[in-house]
Amino acid sequence: DAMVIQNPRYQVTQFGKPVTLSCSQTLNHNVMYWYQQKSSQAPKLLFHYYDKDFNNEADTPDNFQSRRPNTSFCFLDIRSPGLGDAAMYLCATSRAGLYNEQFFGPGTRLTVL
Amino acid sequence: QKEVEQDPGPLSVPEGAIVSLNCTYSNSAFQYFMWYRQYSRKGPELLMYTYSSGNKEDGRFTAQVDKSSKYISLFIRDSQPSDSATYLCAMSEPHGNQFYFGTGTSLTVIP
Repeated sequence: DAMVIQNPRYQVTQFGKPVTLSCSQTLNHNVMYWYQQKSSQAPKLLFHYYDKDFNNEADTPDNFQSRRPNTSFCFLDIRSPGLGDAAMYLCATSRAGLYNEQFFGPGTRLTVL
Repeated sequence: QKEVEQDPGPLSVPEGAIVSLNCTYSNSAFQYFMWYRQYSRKGPELLMYTYSSGNKEDGRFTAQVDKSSKYISLFIRDSQPSDSATYLCAMSEPHGNQFYFGTGTSLTVIP
């Protein structure tokens, strides 16, 4: 089945220790997104890629970076995680076009100790 | 004012009840509307999507869009305990690559 895969599902890191979350997709969608979701809140868009074009949300902290080496993969790097970065990180994809659905991965739950 | 407003609930109903979940929005350019179901500690799962105004039915779920009122609804008939989850509405403009989400409504269906 075509899908969005995120690894790891659970990540524990220490305060200030860099961490990388990964996302892969078999849908061949050209747009990929990273969202941060905290408890009882809507997903908050951090970045999205339209093909290789990177789009950073204005309020995404500099602590967060992203890479998309090819169509299938996208990475989220958190350079120096703080306690406030503990959240669920969701990867999503969509096919650019007139109307498009957005499909989510299962998420990576990040804990910062 | 947020682009999308959604009552966070929580909403608690007995099994078999009809559930109505709603969102309002302010951007008249939105024409693509989605409902996601999110179980605890899982990613959102796309349930329904509709283009512009009107109704769309899929089994026990009906999505309704009223563009004149900037109001969308999701109805769940014969609700089941397995429907207990958070329901998120989302919307976008045509050709838009950004999706705007409500905060989600937490639903519990009591057996």
